[in-house]
Amino acid sequence: KAGVTQTPRYLIKTRGQQVTLSCSPISGHRSVSWYQQTPGQGLQFLFEYFSETQRNKGNFPGRFSGRQFSNSRSEMNVSTLELGDSALYLCASSFGGRSYEQYFGPGTRLTVT
Amino acid sequence: AQTVTQSQPEMSVQEAETVTLSCTYDTSENNYYLFWYKQPPSRQMILVIRQEAYKQQNATENRFSVNFQKAAKSFSLKISDSQLGDTAMYFCAFMKHVYSNQFYFGTGTSLTVIP
Repeated sequence: KAGVTQTPRYLIKTRGQQVTLSCSPISGHRSVSWYQQTPGQGLQFLFEYFSETQRNKGNFPGRFSGRQFSNSRSEMNVSTLELGDSALYLCASSFGGRSYEQYFGPGTRLTVT
Repeated sequence: AQTVTQSQPEMSVQEAETVTLSCTYDTSENNYYLFWYKQPPSRQMILVIRQEAYKQQNATENRFSVNFQKAAKSFSLKISDSQLGDTAMYFCAFMKHVYSNQFYFGTGTSLTVIP
C-alpha cells in the first residue's frame, strides 16, 4: 500500500506570494492533518480535515487555510507569505473516527525569501 | 491546555547499549494516548510506539519499550541494544482522545548512536 505523499518536496517563494501544498493520504484514509515544523516552535498543529470538513484547527492566522477533496486528498494554502512561514510542512493521514494511528508524509520544505 | 516536555535536547549512546529518553506531559484529561515518533535525517516521521492511558501495562515493540507512569504524567522511552539506525530526532506526542486527531508534540530529543 502506498504511503502518504506530499508535493512538492521543496519550494522557494518570495515574501508576499501565496503557495499551495498538496497531500495525498493512504488509500482508505479519510482524515488528513497538517503540521508546521520549525526549529524555534517545533511541531505545531495547523488543522485537520475529515470527509471534506475541517474538524479541528490550531492557532494559526487566517492566511493559513486548507481543504479536502472527495478523494480525501488535501491542500494547504498560505497567502501573503512571510519570512517566518519558512518551515517543513508535514501532513498525516488516518482512517479518522476511532483511529489514533496516523501516518506522516515526507513533508514539503518551504523557504520564503 | 495540553503540554508535552522533553527535557533532554540531545543524547548519545554507544552502539548495543541501552538509553532512556524522558517525557512528561500535563493534561486534565483522563483518557488519552501517548506516542513516541522518530524522525531520522530523511525527515519522515515514523511511529515507534504508542500507549493507551487506560492500559496499565507498558507497551513494548521489539527493542523499544515505555515506562508509563500515569499519576506522575511521565512517559519515557527505553531503547535496548541501540543500533546506528536509531540515530534520529525522537518526539513524544500526546493525543487527547480518539475523535481528535490532533497531536501535541514535545520539542524533541536528538539521539546519536555512536559506533
